[in-house]
Amino acid sequence: GAGVSQSPSNKVTEKGKDVELRCDPISGHTALYWYRQSLGQGLEFLIYFQGNSAPDKSGLPSDRFSAERTGGSVSTLTIQRTQQEDSAVYLCASSLRLGQVTNEQFFGPGTRLTVL
Amino acid sequence: DAKTTQPTSMDCAEGRAANLPCNHSTISGNEYVYWYRQIHSQGPQYIIHGLKNNETNEMASLIITEDRKSSTLILPHATLRDTAVYYCIVRAHNAGNMLTFGGGTRLMVKP
Repeated sequence: GAGVSQSPSNKVTEKGKDVELRCDPISGHTALYWYRQSLGQGLEFLIYFQGNSAPDKSGLPSDRFSAERTGGSVSTLTIQRTQQEDSAVYLCASSLRLGQVTNEQFFGPGTRLTVL
Repeated sequence: DAKTTQPTSMDCAEGRAANLPCNHSTISGNEYVYWYRQIHSQGPQYIIHGLKNNETNEMASLIITEDRKSSTLILPHATLRDTAVYYCIVRAHNAGNMLTFGGGTRLMVKP
């Protein structure tokens, strides 16, 4: 079946501009996560959504970052007034439900954001 | 989550078994061992996980020592497409769903 998809695959923007990154999770997956990965670094958790519960925003680095998930499916990560340090690959993942023992997360291909 | 230690890099000949070690000496009784990998320019991919018994699936085998302080991921017949960074993670079932990756092991499969 279809995996997690993300768009755009690459985004180049100028410092100070706003950007929106989109994630389409696997159909039926109730949990959705956003991470970012800077060049050569590990994964940095940003935010996750589980069903209709309030999202866990504990990983968002500043108030310039926000995310929403409409209808329990598609999610958009918005970065306002982008800075050069925001340059990274933004990864989205989904999983079937919170607390499942297997706890597999299926990742999308990522969006490579470059802030000039 | 318990800390893990992995070698920075390893080489393996194509067709041979790749054995990737991971030390997790501070693992707690309720923490599982998970392995993910990340091929260049792709998102991370789940491989396998286990609690205390050895596990095998279509991708790999996971061998966990009896004291659970270390484990080995085995790719039985490595191919060039297995070249990736392999991440060992230990985490509790109820730890919250976010993943935290350390440096991992960069496996290079050579012809």
